[in-house]
Amino acid sequence: RKEVEQDPGPFNVPEGATVAFNCTYSNSASQSFFWYRQDCRKEPKLLMSVYSSGNEDGRFTAQLNRASQYISLLIRDSKLSDSATYLCVVNRNTGKLIFGQGTTLQVKP
Amino acid sequence: GAVVSQHPSWVICKSGTSVKIECRSLDFQATTMFWYRQFPKQSLMLMATSNEGSKATYEQGVEKDKFLINHASLTLSTLTVTSAHPEDSSFYICSARGQVQETQYFGPGTRLLVL
Repeated sequence: RKEVEQDPGPFNVPEGATVAFNCTYSNSASQSFFWYRQDCRKEPKLLMSVYSSGNEDGRFTAQLNRASQYISLLIRDSKLSDSATYLCVVNRNTGKLIFGQGTTLQVKP
Repeated sequence: GAVVSQHPSWVICKSGTSVKIECRSLDFQATTMFWYRQFPKQSLMLMATSNEGSKATYEQGVEKDKFLINHASLTLSTLTVTSAHPEDSSFYICSARGQVQETQYFGPGTRLLVL
């Protein structure tokens, strides 16, 4: 079993739609959590950190459930420019980042 | 945000040759650098962690004699793929972390194609 699991998709949605991605992690000692965005043939870029209290950045909302070891990302009012692969990332207590396989989002006009 | 560069951005080489990839932190001192590899449609896999002035720590299954890592200064780490073979063809990405920050900043990656 992978340490960080994501549905690879692809998720195909129309512009303006709301889409949600989920992620589960297996190591209960994991300390911090992130969503990264990776465009085709590029390096990953930090989208946002994820906190138990939930956090929002514009159209993006992230949530962490430590008891269920579950992380989510909600994107509202999808734009064409949101098309990318979204990586769920967990920071072990050693400081190492563990990446999920990524979920591909395609926003269509 | 902080800037990390990688050189070269892509390389094509013959089987059996060695390839060196450089990772530089341009505007901060990186006490720790990480090397990742990503095969098509797969996640980034951590290969090794390097701390300035000490030997790199390799992840399970990564051959340290094949992937030589040197972190000689606070702004430069190098990864050398020795005697490269076609199965080493991949996207190699480094990241750097400073002394006081948790955030890792990623380089733009190096695409390696071994013929």
